[in-house]
Amino acid sequence: GQQVMQIPQYQHVQEGEDFTTYCNSSTTLSNIQWYKQRPGGHPVFLIQLVKSGEVKKQKRLTFQFGEAKKNSSLHITATQTTDVGTYFCALIQGAQKLVFGQGTRLTINP
Amino acid sequence: DGGITQSPKYLFRKEGQNVTLSCEQNLNHDAMYWYRQDPGQGLRLIYYSQIVNDFQKGDIAEGYSVSREKKESFPLTVTSAQKNPTAFYLCASSFLGRGGPEAFFGQGTRLTVV
Repeated sequence: GQQVMQIPQYQHVQEGEDFTTYCNSSTTLSNIQWYKQRPGGHPVFLIQLVKSGEVKKQKRLTFQFGEAKKNSSLHITATQTTDVGTYFCALIQGAQKLVFGQGTRLTINP
Repeated sequence: DGGITQSPKYLFRKEGQNVTLSCEQNLNHDAMYWYRQDPGQGLRLIYYSQIVNDFQKGDIAEGYSVSREKKESFPLTVTSAQKNPTAFYLCASSFLGRGGPEAFFGQGTRLTVV
């Protein structure tokens, strides 16, 4: 089935710096979802992208779906300590098989 | 309140024992999932189910079994055949449908086998 590679695996930033994580696939994706998992917590849905070239914003978070629908990114502007956690991209394979990327763990120096 | 409930939160078992993790949802979701997460690792799919009395193997099903006798419930049994069962187990559910609707997760069960 389709797989996604997520990079980087880890990212450490100073508070106020920007952060970006990327999700790449070798095949065309029908959709991509993004989740956030706080330390010690469970993943929480952030957004779903479906259309080619789609860009969605949630406050300081910007989500993009590539024109070829083979990659996606999550960008956080001016990180805050509340942004700490692991960010996962996910996709539906076939009928309803929900698979996740490896995640990018974000740590922030206050 | 609607949601998805996993119990217990922490579970300790002796090596060689089977153990069953509970997952219940009252969201009227059709699909349910079990994932395993190891420290610092991503989510790996164990089993998933789209409808009652039907389920499919995920990427790491060996050593695990599930049942889906009711729409609301999707228990996971970690058998003695699972070589490294100590992990964080997450259950999730979602509606079926095109476009991949969002999944809701339970709080997880931390299983430690000694």
